[in-house]
Amino acid sequence: GQQVMQIPQYQHVQEGEDFTTYCNSSTTLSNIQWYKQRPGGHPVFLIQLVKSGEVKKQKRLTFQFGEAKKNSSLHITATQTTDVGTYFCAGVREYGNKLVFGAGTILRVKS
Amino acid sequence: DAGVIQSPRHEVTEMGQEVTLRCKPISGHDYLFWYRQTMMRGLELLIYFNNNVPIDDSGMPEDRFSAKMPNASFSTLKIQPSEPRDSAVYFCASSFGTGVHEQYFGPGTRLTVT
Repeated sequence: GQQVMQIPQYQHVQEGEDFTTYCNSSTTLSNIQWYKQRPGGHPVFLIQLVKSGEVKKQKRLTFQFGEAKKNSSLHITATQTTDVGTYFCAGVREYGNKLVFGAGTILRVKS
Repeated sequence: DAGVIQSPRHEVTEMGQEVTLRCKPISGHDYLFWYRQTMMRGLELLIYFNNNVPIDDSGMPEDRFSAKMPNASFSTLKIQPSEPRDSAVYFCASSFGTGVHEQYFGPGTRLTVT
């Protein structure tokens, strides 16, 4: 079945450092979504990418969708303590209708 | 809109007891999802409904789990009998169109089975 792999599992950075999490799918995706879950909270939708090679930005967050539509990344510039949480990617297989979540990357920020 | 509403927020029960989790999706959303989250297995999709009809229940762990959606504004996830390994956070989410549109998650129910 469709699998979505996410790395790293965990990252601890100093406040102000950059952070990147990567998402890889075993199959071509029709779209990919990113969610953030704060500690003790619930996943909250951040963004969706649909086009091959697409790049979207939200303030200090940059999201990319690979040319082959099998991988994606989320990059945070100059992390802040408010960025802590777990970042999930979730993809829909091409011609599929189910969103499959990656295992998530836990981000901790030292101030 | 109040968002997705789940109740109870916390549930502690003894092994063997029946547990019922409740969810009210966002009005107008036609898809409803039940997820389970644990440290070991991450976020797992248990079942989802479209227009109150179960579409895919392949994630339901076993016959002890059942889910219903009697109308567009209410769904339940029932575990009978409960076991300690069912301890997890259970999320309900809703969306307008699956796979394409974003999912809105409820606050979750933290279930502890002793």
